[in-house]
Amino acid sequence: DAKTTQPPSMDCAEGRAANLPCNHSTISGNEYVYWYRQIHSQGPQYIIHGLKNNETNEMASLIITEDRKSSTLILPHATLRDTAVYYCIAFRGAGTALIFGKGTTLSVSS
Amino acid sequence: GAGVSQSPSNKVTEKGKDVELRCDPISGHTALYWYRQRLGQGLEFLIYFQGNSAPDKSGLPSDRFSAERTGESVSTLTIQRTQQEDSAVYLCASSRALGPNQPQHFGDGTRLSIL
Repeated sequence: DAKTTQPPSMDCAEGRAANLPCNHSTISGNEYVYWYRQIHSQGPQYIIHGLKNNETNEMASLIITEDRKSSTLILPHATLRDTAVYYCIAFRGAGTALIFGKGTTLSVSS
Repeated sequence: GAGVSQSPSNKVTEKGKDVELRCDPISGHTALYWYRQRLGQGLEFLIYFQGNSAPDKSGLPSDRFSAERTGESVSTLTIQRTQQEDSAVYLCASSRALGPNQPQHFGDGTRLSIL
């Protein structure tokens, strides 16, 4: 699976949009971009995934650049409960396991 | 609906004892994964099951570790003769099937502490 690069930390004010970037310049055509988050003492929580098109669900939006070398996870109205470590993963499946890097620690403050 | 359920949530045991960890996947999910997460570290893949196929055991760290799954339901991870290095959070995940378009959904893990 391709390597991903994320900033180590970001801050966001409560109620504002949080935009978390991810670089995956070596991603291959059959790899999906996945986002998970992990809140202290809990298991990783699936957020969203996509291949080429932008995706939106009840939690977030995923914007993937046309060349697929980078993506942005958008939490439209961040709350204090969104404080967590966010992981961007390039995943090709085929029975392989998810590989979590160091992620981005998002701190949402009031 | 119900998510992935793991039990116990915490387990403290003495070095040398055997432990058994349980995972109840989401109903209808054919794929089940076990991972380990040491304090401050990333996830380490241990084993996965897919339907009735032979499991992929390539991530098991030693022959003290084994896992079973009954059909497409409950799975147990067994660690024999535990060592202090086995202390970690053991996470289970399930997905509807194998494949790149199948998100894995995680339980909250079992925190294992070996004294």
